[in-house]
Amino acid sequence: AQTVTQSQPEMSVQEAETVTLSCTYDTSENNYYLFWYKQPPSRQMILVIRQEAYKQQNATENRFSVNFQKAAKSFSLKISDSQLGDTAMYFCAFIYSGGSNYKLTFGKGTLLTVNP
Amino acid sequence: GAGVSQSPRYKVTKRGQDVALRCDPISGHVSLYWYRQALGQGPEFLTYFNYEAQQDKSGLPNDRFSAERPEGSISTLTIQRTEQRDSAMYRCASSPARGHEQYFGPGTRLTVT
Repeated sequence: AQTVTQSQPEMSVQEAETVTLSCTYDTSENNYYLFWYKQPPSRQMILVIRQEAYKQQNATENRFSVNFQKAAKSFSLKISDSQLGDTAMYFCAFIYSGGSNYKLTFGKGTLLTVNP
Repeated sequence: GAGVSQSPRYKVTKRGQDVALRCDPISGHVSLYWYRQALGQGPEFLTYFNYEAQQDKSGLPNDRFSAERPEGSISTLTIQRTEQRDSAMYRCASSPARGHEQYFGPGTRLTVT
């Protein structure tokens, strides 16, 4: 079974600064996807970024980028130029792509607060 | 285009009543998932459909929970004889194909009193 661990229950950052959220995962599989989802106070679940395990290049989406270290089973999210609207719960998630079930396994989340 | 929609957004029911939660996925998405999210936790998998076939229901907590997707589009999650421990946010997600990213609906907040 796969597990996803987010070791930082809460973090805070000043507006315009950079912050990194940590995520580690445990799997014996080689083919999988990793995701970061954002859950703002509205409690919507918004996909932020996706990484395929077979790709060595780290994914980027505007101010959001990841540091994917496959050997270390680490998948951190970097948010640059933090904005007040980035205040949200962030969830790291894993999908094993080699089987018949593509369920997401989530971490417990990191609550990020961006301060003005 | 329209995203995933769920109804109702909020549901308050008395213990012992049955409830039906509806999910309307993004048009053309073949895969549909149900998750349950407790406060302060990440969503947990309940069940998965590929078209109309329920391919995995291993996450359903007990036989009071069931789901269907008869025409491969709209899905209904039914909870019979609700209990207080069923109170949670129930989320639906759809995906254009297995393994692709999943897009979530706004969720149904269920409160059992």
